[in-house]
Amino acid sequence: IVLTQSPDTLSVSPGERATLSCRASQTLNRYLAWYQLRPGQAPRLLMSDAYRATGVPSRFSASGSGTDFILTISSLEPEDVAVYYCQQRNYAGLTFGGGTKVEI
Amino acid sequence: QVQLHESGQGLVKPSETLTLTCSVSNVSISQGYFWGWIRRPPGRGLEWIGHIHQTGTAYYNSALKSRVSISMDTAENQFSMTMISPTAADTAVYYCARGGYYDPFDYWGRGTQVTVSS
Repeated sequence: IVLTQSPDTLSVSPGERATLSCRASQTLNRYLAWYQLRPGQAPRLLMSDAYRATGVPSRFSASGSGTDFILTISSLEPEDVAVYYCQQRNYAGLTFGGGTKVEI
Repeated sequence: QVQLHESGQGLVKPSETLTLTCSVSNVSISQGYFWGWIRRPPGRGLEWIGHIHQTGTAYYNSALKSRVSISMDTAENQFSMTMISPTAADTAVYYCARGGYYDPFDYWGRGTQVTVSS
């Protein structure tokens, strides 16, 4: 399964909403996860389906089903500058999207 | 807090075998979960390499399956990845993480840079 993320780069002003897209080449019947990767840091699990991981701020939310999924940052903070990846785990062969870079 | 730390060769020749080890703290790898390896080549996105269950059953990315092996050492609370015949295309930051199969990768190491060059 191929995951296509868009846009490649998203420029958002602090306090504004950021909407990241992840489209699957086949219907996903189960799970999609989202990760945040900041430079020099370990990747961080943000969302598992529509559920926030422990410690993730409430400004992050995820939605979608089938082939189209969205990660929303409701009010961008400076520390949200990072690359965001979606990942499907519906099949034994896991795949990640190509990533969306969020910048201020 | 679960902690993972990658170690291994930072520079490897194409004729050599790449071996990376992930040391896990504050949880026993034999108590369940999957344990996986993921990499990020320069300028590209994340790529799943494979993962292993406490039972020793491992799953691999089909593109890498012929060259990669993942194993566990429960006595040392570590798991390892071995790659034969690496090429420049295998140059990447390699991460170990807890998760795999239907579980998300919820804890990650900080990653280790591996460069393949003669």
